[in-house]
Amino acid sequence: AQSVTQPDIHITVSEGASLELRCNYSYGATPYLFWYVQSPGQGLQLLLKYFSGDTLVQGIKGFEAEFKRSQSSFNLRKPSVHWSDAAEYFCAVVLLSNFGNEKLTFGTGTRLTIIP
Amino acid sequence: DAGITQSPRHKVTETGTPVTLRCHQTENHRYMYWYRQDPGHGLRLIHYSYGVKDTDKGEVSDGYSVSRSKTEDFLLTLESATSSQTSVYFCAIRTDTPGNEQFFGPGTRLTVL
Repeated sequence: AQSVTQPDIHITVSEGASLELRCNYSYGATPYLFWYVQSPGQGLQLLLKYFSGDTLVQGIKGFEAEFKRSQSSFNLRKPSVHWSDAAEYFCAVVLLSNFGNEKLTFGTGTRLTIIP
Repeated sequence: DAGITQSPRHKVTETGTPVTLRCHQTENHRYMYWYRQDPGHGLRLIHYSYGVKDTDKGEVSDGYSVSRSKTEDFLLTLESATSSQTSVYFCAIRTDTPGNEQFFGPGTRLTVL
């Protein structure tokens, strides 16, 4: 069955340090890939997406992600985190249903804590 | 914010009572979705709609029904609420831009006692 895996449940990073959040998917073809961020008590905000073309995609808030087909990965990176980046991050994959209606499948999320 | 509102934002109800959650969009998107969010599970799709009166089940549809009589409104109904349906419910719309990304509403926190 298709799945999305975020192996890190919780990551703690010092402010100003670099960040990499991991995401792996299990799918037979190249899917559409997304990263969302959720601040406490809020809805989900789209950070970036990949659906074709350049495998390194830039998003909002200084984030980027790289699609690596050989590793079935779409890891999220930021060179220098800010305290405001503390949130939960979700990787998501669009899978094609029987009716051709794309359905978004989410990973279980990675909670990011920033320490001074 | 893609013009998505959800009502109510918070609700506490008792086991066995019916509950309806409303999702309203202002931008005439064809696709709308209902998800639930639970710790350790991320977001899971309950039902979705691909047009007025056109709906389909997601991965966790048992105990839920939906209706879409107008493009702008997508209703989620719990016919007889159970404690296992205590969750945060998110509505989303899908754009028609390349990549078909989804945008989410602010969520409804439902507690079933």
